[in-house]
Amino acid sequence: DAGITQSPRHKVTETGTPVTLRCHQTENHRYMYWYRQDPGHGLRLIHYSYGVKDTDKGEVSDGYSVSRSKTEDFLLTLESATSSQTSVYFCAISEFGGKSPLHFGNGTRLTVT
Amino acid sequence: TQLLEQSPQFLSIQEGENLTVYCNSSSVFSSLQWYRQEPGEGPVLLVTVVTGGEVKKLKRLTFQFGDARKDSSLHITAAQPGDTGLYLCAGDPGNQFYFGTGTSLTVIP
Repeated sequence: DAGITQSPRHKVTETGTPVTLRCHQTENHRYMYWYRQDPGHGLRLIHYSYGVKDTDKGEVSDGYSVSRSKTEDFLLTLESATSSQTSVYFCAISEFGGKSPLHFGNGTRLTVT
Repeated sequence: TQLLEQSPQFLSIQEGENLTVYCNSSSVFSSLQWYRQEPGEGPVLLVTVVTGGEVKKLKRLTFQFGDARKDSSLHITAAQPGDTGLYLCAGDPGNQFYFGTGTSLTVIP
């Protein structure tokens, strides 16, 4: 299995509070991604990174920010959590981007009350 | 708007039956991937198809990429309980992968 660790695995937070989710990889892959998974929507891309300090928006980026200060770490921040951000969040890595496969972490289940 | 539509959304069959899952789009993809996801885990790649008309086999699973590279299908022969899971297709129209809504398969022993 690809070395991808997401933390925390579960989190419950209140509306309006900031939340940061962490993705750590030991594969030295260049590309890292944050997806959210919701019933009826499948996986939707939030943000992705193609190198240290290089990030770009995905299809559902509103309300989220990311940072990548080291190759191995990719952080997803909800500046002010809302109930619509209750979801399961997956981090994925890819060696070359493009057609190369995505390797996923085991997800973080976030509940915003 | 969902770029990739999968059907059926849910499928429950008896062990030994055959089934086909479809992944359709109006967009052309440079490649398409199929993943399987089990509860509490992230998706795991099954196959990547890149050429229009391509057929790939993985034991009892057969994957086909449409000639126009807009659609794909996954056929499972003689389904087994171990095939139970969420099947996701993902297409790359040029810059990033978009996922389908998924097909939840349950194989009853």
